[in-house]
Amino acid sequence: QSVLTQPPSVSAAPGQKVTISCSGSSSNIGNNYVSWYHQLPGTAPKLLIFDNNKRPSGIPDRFSGSKSGTSATLGITGLQTGDEADYYCGTWDGSLNVVVFGGGTKLTVL
Amino acid sequence: EVQLVESGGGLVQPGGSLRLSCAASGFIFSSYAMSWVRQTPGKGLQWVSAITTGGDSTYYADSVKGRFTISRDNSKNTLYLQMNSLRAEDTAVYYCAKDRFFGSSASWGQGTLVTVSS
Repeated sequence: QSVLTQPPSVSAAPGQKVTISCSGSSSNIGNNYVSWYHQLPGTAPKLLIFDNNKRPSGIPDRFSGSKSGTSATLGITGLQTGDEADYYCGTWDGSLNVVVFGGGTKLTVL
Repeated sequence: EVQLVESGGGLVQPGGSLRLSCAASGFIFSSYAMSWVRQTPGKGLQWVSAITTGGDSTYYADSVKGRFTISRDNSKNTLYLQMNSLRAEDTAVYYCAKDRFFGSSASWGQGTLVTVSS
């Protein structure tokens, strides 16, 4: 059971938009920056969004992040088949003094 | 270019030990906190441990506390994870990661597989 809660799967058609939620508590998301990672099959995770809503260089602006209270959201517009991957949210939990991840969301582009 | 190369994984019997290494290059290793994160095949990410830049503070997941030890040698640009009293549930791919700060891992290695089985 993950500390952060994500939907197990989401799907949408190519060109459409999808959002992935990440729910936590005041000890983690509520008081810390959220990062998002994507993991293509057979590869290592890669940072997608940091500090709630910032994109590393090379990440297209089709990817966006937001945070409100104890929840965070990843948005992906203009879906492409190459976006099919597992997506994870993560942050620091100041009460447990550990890094926490969501259980991951599998994105299928139909 | 940031490179993180893990090594040291393999097959070990329950109760055994392994030491993982992560060779870092392409950045000033001593300026960054580092973490180990593992992933059981087909499952999600599980944070294992983290260490501050100078190695003076370390943090562990409850599932490995008292059995695993994270350390670093800034003169060798290398991160370590000493794993003792290994259990079947420790079987996973272990990734090392360069942290912007704890909870935000900017770069990841390719991972090394640890299999605990008799």
